[in-house]
Amino acid sequence: NAGVMQNPRHLVRRRGQEARLRCSPMKGHSHVYWYRQLPEEGLKFMVYLQKENIIDESGMPKERFSAEFPKEGPSILRIQQVVRGDSAAYFCASSQHPQGGGTEAFFGQGTRLTVV
Amino acid sequence: GENVEQHPSTLSVQEGDSAVIKCTYSDSASNYFPWYKQELGKGPQLIIDIRSNVGEKKDQRIAVTLNKTAKHFSLHITETQPEDSAVYFCAGDTGANNLFFGTGTRLTVIP
Repeated sequence: NAGVMQNPRHLVRRRGQEARLRCSPMKGHSHVYWYRQLPEEGLKFMVYLQKENIIDESGMPKERFSAEFPKEGPSILRIQQVVRGDSAAYFCASSQHPQGGGTEAFFGQGTRLTVV
Repeated sequence: GENVEQHPSTLSVQEGDSAVIKCTYSDSASNYFPWYKQELGKGPQLIIDIRSNVGEKKDQRIAVTLNKTAKHFSLHITETQPEDSAVYFCAGDTGANNLFFGTGTRLTVIP
């Protein structure tokens, strides 16, 4: 049973370009979460999705950031017109049930985005 | 909203000694408290968790204690080994379907 798969592992974008980060949850998991981690800091919640639905996007910037989890395929975190401040590690986690119910969440290896 | 504070930010111990990391939280509605270990360049790995109906949980060299009244929980690692060196994060659920993380503790086990 493969774990949470994220790709790419590393992504370099010039300012103004778009970044697309992909996450395939663990088999049997329908709940996906995206977190951002700045260097030497903890993880900050961005968005929580179930298949085809955004449940909670309270941690996601209102502009330039969007997320989706289509019926088929991976979840996508999309950052438009990237700026240097977007440089961070972005982690995806998945769980079998909502985290609010005390369900274990498993993380992927992350995508390290560098904006130059 | 939830706020999780974690101490210390760095911790160095001799191999074989014990390590203790402490966290406090603010949201009395939180019921689930996982601990994650993150090695350099990798994603966080769940190592142990505890729910609010339990005061202590052990898994080999790792134990977690929870005091709901005081709103704090701790990670205890006994007989530390060099491979325990990593950054450890505590977290609490927010009741809003996500986790709120502490700022991390960088543990170094000196051989």
